[in-house]
Amino acid sequence: DADVTQTPRNRITKTGKRIMLECSQTKGHDRMYWYRQDPGLGLRLIYYSFDVKDINKGEISDGYSVSRQAQAKFSLSLESAIPNQTALYFCATSDPLASSTDTQYFGPGTRLTVL
Amino acid sequence: AQSVSQHNHHVILSEAASLELGCNYSYGGTVNLFWYVQYPGQHLQLLLKYFSGDPLVKGIKGFEAEFIKSKFSFNLRKPSVQWSDTAEYFCAVNAPGYNDMRFGAGTRLTVKP
Repeated sequence: DADVTQTPRNRITKTGKRIMLECSQTKGHDRMYWYRQDPGLGLRLIYYSFDVKDINKGEISDGYSVSRQAQAKFSLSLESAIPNQTALYFCATSDPLASSTDTQYFGPGTRLTVL
Repeated sequence: AQSVSQHNHHVILSEAASLELGCNYSYGGTVNLFWYVQYPGQHLQLLLKYFSGDPLVKGIKGFEAEFIKSKFSFNLRKPSVQWSDTAEYFCAVNAPGYNDMRFGAGTRLTVKP
């Protein structure tokens, strides 16, 4: 869905490096999310933001930080990357006013490898 | 917090076979239920969702799911699968009062031509 974009799409980095993954959306949604996907574990929520001034930890926030620079932008940072952060990272958006179920719409994902 | 279980990790079917993927959730109150599909190399896409009304929900590409409240289940079905249905399928749940959506571990479906 081109309405939610993620950069970069692929990244290989070394242990200890600082990494930033970026997410932008043109859907006009207030809510944004960061997930990681690991084989056999499904998607797990890292952080979420319900508006620019609202940031919340998800299920697995340790080792990560986020920044909501604007309604349309939500960045995920790994301050000091470690190999077990190798995963596929997804950004998602939702708007509870547009959908009674608060359906989430996903970006294309960023494949991160930490050596 | 709510949780979601998908008991089938990998399902292999031949084309035209019928499909049923299991999904159970743990939460006693009102829930919204979703099935997402992830085709190889692509992002998650919404297949169907349930929030109220008819417990039998029809989605895209001939998929349907039935919400059985007494069994805390939301199983996904398709009468006749195609090779193009090869993908990973995720069940998810959110609930009023909880700010996040919980996903199951996913079920990988392989359809043999």
